[in-house]
Amino acid sequence: EPEVTQTPSHQVTQMGQEVILRCVPISNHLYFYWYRQILGQKVEFLVSFYNNEISEKSEIFDDQFSVERPDGSNFTLKIRSTKLEDSAMYFCASSEVQGSQPQHFGDGTRLSIL
Amino acid sequence: AQSVTQPDIHITVSEGASLELRCNYSYGATPYLFWYVQSPGQGLQLLLKYFSGDTLVQGIKGFEAEFKRSQSSFNLRKPSVHWSDAAEYFCAVGCNSSASKIIFGSGTRLSIRP
Repeated sequence: EPEVTQTPSHQVTQMGQEVILRCVPISNHLYFYWYRQILGQKVEFLVSFYNNEISEKSEIFDDQFSVERPDGSNFTLKIRSTKLEDSAMYFCASSEVQGSQPQHFGDGTRLSIL
Repeated sequence: AQSVTQPDIHITVSEGASLELRCNYSYGATPYLFWYVQSPGQGLQLLLKYFSGDTLVQGIKGFEAEFKRSQSSFNLRKPSVHWSDAAEYFCAVGCNSSASKIIFGSGTRLSIRP
């Protein structure tokens, strides 16, 4: 069964540094998403992306965050200047059709900010 | 605004016993409802989904859930749990408007007593 793959599985970064989290969505999917889960808390929506632009973003997704689909397969989340509170598990997801089809999630990238 | 409530933070059941995890949602229209499972250190795996039609939906691993509009509930059930079912379970709601995010509940941690 096709999967969403995320790299790296664990990223350790100094506060203030830029970090890029990478995702390869399922190949025929058109909608892409990032979520995050701070340790012990619920999964929170960050941003959705379709047709090379952001469809929706949450209040968490401020100017420090950006997303990009640099080629036909990768979908990236960049945090420009990381803060301690950015430490979390970041999940990428993709879906075939918005809303009416389930989102398939990757295994996540654990981001640790020192 | 959509919201999801999972009133049970932690449940322990004996292996072989039946299970019911509660979920209540708030949404103005007919929602899309999901249950995801997360094993420790793993990503989110879709157990089942409800979009329309039969209100009793079957999922993977022997799970089922029943949509009750009158109670705004979508409880997850399994007749006989196995030790491998120990995990965190998340109920989630999506909508069929242009907004594409999924709203997650805070999760229920399931422990299995030998």
